[in-house]
Amino acid sequence: RKEVEQDPGPFNVPEGATVAFNCTYSNSASQSFFWYRQDCRKEPKLLMSVYSSGNEDGRFTAQLNRASQYISLLIRDSKLSDSATYLCAAQISGGSYIPTFGRGTSLIVHP
Amino acid sequence: EADIYQTPRYLVIGTGKKITLECSQTMGHDKMYWYQQDPGMELHLIHYSYGVNSTEKGDLSSESTVSRIRTEHFPLTLESARPSHTSQYLCASNPEGQGYNEQFFGPGTRLTVL
Repeated sequence: RKEVEQDPGPFNVPEGATVAFNCTYSNSASQSFFWYRQDCRKEPKLLMSVYSSGNEDGRFTAQLNRASQYISLLIRDSKLSDSATYLCAAQISGGSYIPTFGRGTSLIVHP
Repeated sequence: EADIYQTPRYLVIGTGKKITLECSQTMGHDKMYWYQQDPGMELHLIHYSYGVNSTEKGDLSSESTVSRIRTEHFPLTLESARPSHTSQYLCASNPEGQGYNEQFFGPGTRLTVL
């Protein structure tokens, strides 16, 4: 089983729709979680860090469920420009630990 | 914008050539990483470093080497390039310590080996 798993999709949604992705992690010691956005042939860029209480940034909401070991990303009122691959990452904070990435979930927003 | 740079951005070379991909960051980050990513596929960790004179192998390191002589510089060398090395190579860094230390990625080097 991979340490961080995501449904690769693609998720195909119309403009204005609400869409949610989940990402499960297997290492219960993970403490830091992130969502990155990656456009085609570009580098990943941080979208949101995921705090224990959940956090919101405009149309984007991230949640953490430690009991079930998953993080989620909710996108409301989808825009065409939201089309991208969304990577999640989990990390045990500090020290010698390095982040583990999922393979990403592809989102296609159509008119 | 993150201050992490990669050169060259694109490279086409013949089989058997030795190549070095450059990565530099001006953020003073201790941790640096190299990833390989094929189109539409996941990131594969090749090498990483905790700081100067520290290098560690990732999942996909057997055909490449790295060095970390200076904090800001983390070059990746392929001793003998093969067509199977054709891919995008991404360099990343993040600071040491506790907290939400997200990674900052460079723009990538797209390598084609003929």
